Amino acid sequence: AQSVSQHNHHVILSEAASLELGCNYSYGGTVNLFWYVQYPGQHLQLLLKYFSGDPLVKGIKGFEAEFIKSKFSFNLRKPSVQWSDTAEYFCAVFSGGYNKLIFGAGTRLAVHP
Amino acid sequence: NAGVTQTPKFQVLKTGQSMTLQCAQDMNHEYMSWYRQDPGMGLRLIHYSVGAGITDQGEVPNGYNVSRSTTEDFPLRLLSAAPSQTSVYFCASSYGSGALNTEAFFGQGTRLTVV
Repeated sequence: AQSVSQHNHHVILSEAASLELGCNYSYGGTVNLFWYVQYPGQHLQLLLKYFSGDPLVKGIKGFEAEFIKSKFSFNLRKPSVQWSDTAEYFCAVFSGGYNKLIFGAGTRLAVHP
Repeated sequence: NAGVTQTPKFQVLKTGQSMTLQCAQDMNHEYMSWYRQDPGMGLRLIHYSVGAGITDQGEVPNGYNVSRSTTEDFPLRLLSAAPSQTSVYFCASSYGSGALNTEAFFGQGTRLTVV
């Protein structure tokens, strides 16, 4: 079965610090990869997605992620975080073989001014 | 466009009661799914559907039933609520029956408490 692992459950940063959140998945076939963000009290919003092509994808609000197929990883990065980035971040993987979108456990990010 | 609409937003049930969480989308999406969100566990897939008349189980299907009689609607039924079903429930939809190379759109969620 496919699975998604997010290595950091809680991250605390100061404003302007750099961010990298790890995500690894288990499925070896064709996959779509996503990062979603959930601000307090809100539903999930798409940050960025990877379907094919350039493994470095850019999303909204200055976020980017790199797909490394050999490592089954899709890490999320942002060079300089802001207080408004305080939220929970979810990595998700859709595989054509399983036909299911599976989420990681999430990383709760707190950015202090 | 309304997108994905879930009702109700909040619900309190007594153990053993039944209820239906409603989900409707107006984007003509074939693929729809239900998740529950619990602290520290992310979103776990309950059931999904690749089109009208077709449903399948996700990671945590026990205690939940679904049906898909139309493309637009995908209700989630709790036949006999249990405290372990206290959670936030999200409905999502994607274009295409396979949902590959598409993104999921989420509803606002239903916060369910079973006492």
